Amino acid sequence: QQQVKQSPQSLIVQKGGISIINCAYENTAFDYFPWYQQFPGKGPALLIAIRPDVSEKKEGRFTISFNKSAKQFSLHIMDSQPGDSATYFCAALMIKAAGNKLTFGGGTRVLVKP
Amino acid sequence: EPEVTQTPSHQVTQMGQEVILRCVPISNHLYFYWYRQILGQKVEFLVSFYNNEISEKSEIFDDQFSVERPDGSNFTLKIRSTKLEDSAMYFCASSGRVVGTHYEQYFGPGTRLTVT
Repeated sequence: QQQVKQSPQSLIVQKGGISIINCAYENTAFDYFPWYQQFPGKGPALLIAIRPDVSEKKEGRFTISFNKSAKQFSLHIMDSQPGDSATYFCAALMIKAAGNKLTFGGGTRVLVKP
Repeated sequence: EPEVTQTPSHQVTQMGQEVILRCVPISNHLYFYWYRQILGQKVEFLVSFYNNEISEKSEIFDDQFSVERPDGSNFTLKIRSTKLEDSAMYFCASSGRVVGTHYEQYFGPGTRLTVT
């Protein structure tokens, strides 16, 4: 019940195209859903996050869509650029006073072709 | 911009040896975490630490693991007797004191641990 499932495992998109990554969760107690971007040899970097009381959040070219009833959320990268080539992880956690452990999805390797 | 730092970047050790991985969290953060990522796999939670005690740990974090905040700036992960399967990238993360964002975690660059 703690799992977060992410798809696809890899994605190739042309420069200027839209990258879409999907995640599904089981535990309805999760109430914070971040996306992390990871470049090779680096740590995950917080990209954008959403709480379940909103259905969409946009920051620049990155948008999270959230469907609470379906227990799914997705990351859309608009106007994809070669510099967006990285591995993207969705994650989820139950907000508590302390001990907020992130449960990660399996990751999606995105390659943006020039 | 403040960031989490980790040392060393790469540690090679022999099976059965003790290792200590070091982290300097973002300076005004109060919550600290260790995660690991075995090559090609997902990032896995190990432990969270707040107010000088463990607040949550995973089943991976057994008696061979310990964490410590020895001073006001460092946060360490010790593995007492390393096994081959401990080979992974270990990430430290921290999150801040502001209510409503205390769960937003910022990760360091990681320490690659290789056990031979």
